[in-house]
Amino acid sequence: EVQLVESGGGLVKPGGSLRLSCAASGFSFTNYNMNWVRQAPGKGLEWVSSFSSNNGNRYYADSVKGRFTISRDNAKNSLYLQMNSLRDEDTAVYYCARGGCSGGVCLLPDFFDYWGQGTLVTVSS
Amino acid sequence: QSALTQPRSVSGSPGQSVTISCTGTSNDVGAYNYVSWYQQHPGKAPKLMIYDVTKRPSGVPDRFSGSKSDNTASLTISGLQPEDETDYYCCSYAASHSYVFGTGTKVTVL
Repeated sequence: EVQLVESGGGLVKPGGSLRLSCAASGFSFTNYNMNWVRQAPGKGLEWVSSFSSNNGNRYYADSVKGRFTISRDNAKNSLYLQMNSLRDEDTAVYYCARGGCSGGVCLLPDFFDYWGQGTLVTVSS
Repeated sequence: QSALTQPRSVSGSPGQSVTISCTGTSNDVGAYNYVSWYQQHPGKAPKLMIYDVTKRPSGVPDRFSGSKSDNTASLTISGLQPEDETDYYCCSYAASHSYVFGTGTKVTVL
């Protein structure tokens, strides 16, 4: 059974930092693109970042570029999101999501097929 | 990258069909056949319902179907059930290695 479990959320002041983790199990982690998607309270979903399993490239939404860093440790089956210079508008539930591809090899996912339960990040003074 | 446009809400009686539209641009929905749809119950994680515009993951009821025409994708729920009442989001791969989600639609079963 595919499982994704996020941790590391909490309350942080504007300008502060936080590191989120996502522990994966039930699938061959190394072979999958992994992603972060967030949802502000009462709002819609927003893609944050993706880590390609094929070329090792990392991609970011313009809203977080230069402040957030996605990384992964394949030996630990874990995905991370280092968040620096946090702003009020970064307040959201952050979901870890596995990327799926319907073709053979894809640099980035066609869709997000499994999601964790999310971890809440609150940026407030 | 602006969010894809979805109606705020749609409604139907049990057994009826409802269709949710998802309008983007020639840089996202119109450019790629990588449109997916997600169902999200309150306080829960999103669940994949449709991928690659028309494909349904195993376990998703066949009353859920997807389509696309030009810059607009659609999710149709046929034979509406009470448990279908919740929020739905579309998503498209977009230019410059990014993704854009829709604004979200609340489906109400009357």
